[in-house]
Amino acid sequence: KAGVTQTPRYLIKTRGQQVTLSCSPISGHRSVSWYQQTPGQGLQFLFEYFSETQRNKGNFPGRFSGRQFSNSRSEMNVSTLELGDSALYLCASSFWGSGDEQFFGPGTRLTVL
Amino acid sequence: AQTVTQSQPEMSVQEAETVTLSCTYDTSESNYYLFWYKQPPSRQMILVIRQEAYKQQNATENRFSVNFQKAAKSFSLKISDSQLGDTAMYFCAFMNHNTGTASKLTFGTGTRLQVTL
Repeated sequence: KAGVTQTPRYLIKTRGQQVTLSCSPISGHRSVSWYQQTPGQGLQFLFEYFSETQRNKGNFPGRFSGRQFSNSRSEMNVSTLELGDSALYLCASSFWGSGDEQFFGPGTRLTVL
Repeated sequence: AQTVTQSQPEMSVQEAETVTLSCTYDTSESNYYLFWYKQPPSRQMILVIRQEAYKQQNATENRFSVNFQKAAKSFSLKISDSQLGDTAMYFCAFMNHNTGTASKLTFGTGTRLQVTL
């Protein structure tokens, strides 16, 4: 069974641009969560989608948004990039969400110049 | 809101020895899950072990075991017979247990474990 895949693996953008990251969950998984990992703030929850609906959202500004498609693939978008958005963005998938094992993807390394 | 604290930023252990990583958490919830995740250098995060708060028995997975003290809100990870492949960042994480609800993990700051020869 294929694992969680994330594309692209690396991105370099400049301040003010926007970016879209993609996550394909394990087949059959309906929950997709997104996390931001930085040396200073650690791992922080962005949001979670289940069956195309956002079920929970972390404390991030509205520049961070996401969506999920009918095949459970998910995208997250960051608009008006800031230097502080440079991070490793991880997505995780599971069958139902709460309590299930979360399977993580390799992440997308975003660098904002 | 829940918080997870890992007070050991770095640890080192010799191969074949035993090491214990500490984790404490704070929550007002009575039903929840606790996890230890491992993130090897430049590789993806994988689950090491999971503990359900309502279970008194400590979880074990081969060389990995936990000491779960619910009253003290403590959840330590013991790695026995350490191997070079155990070198990684270890994260303790908390998740509320509400069936069918969002899978939000709250992570600690991590402990970097180095296994040496």
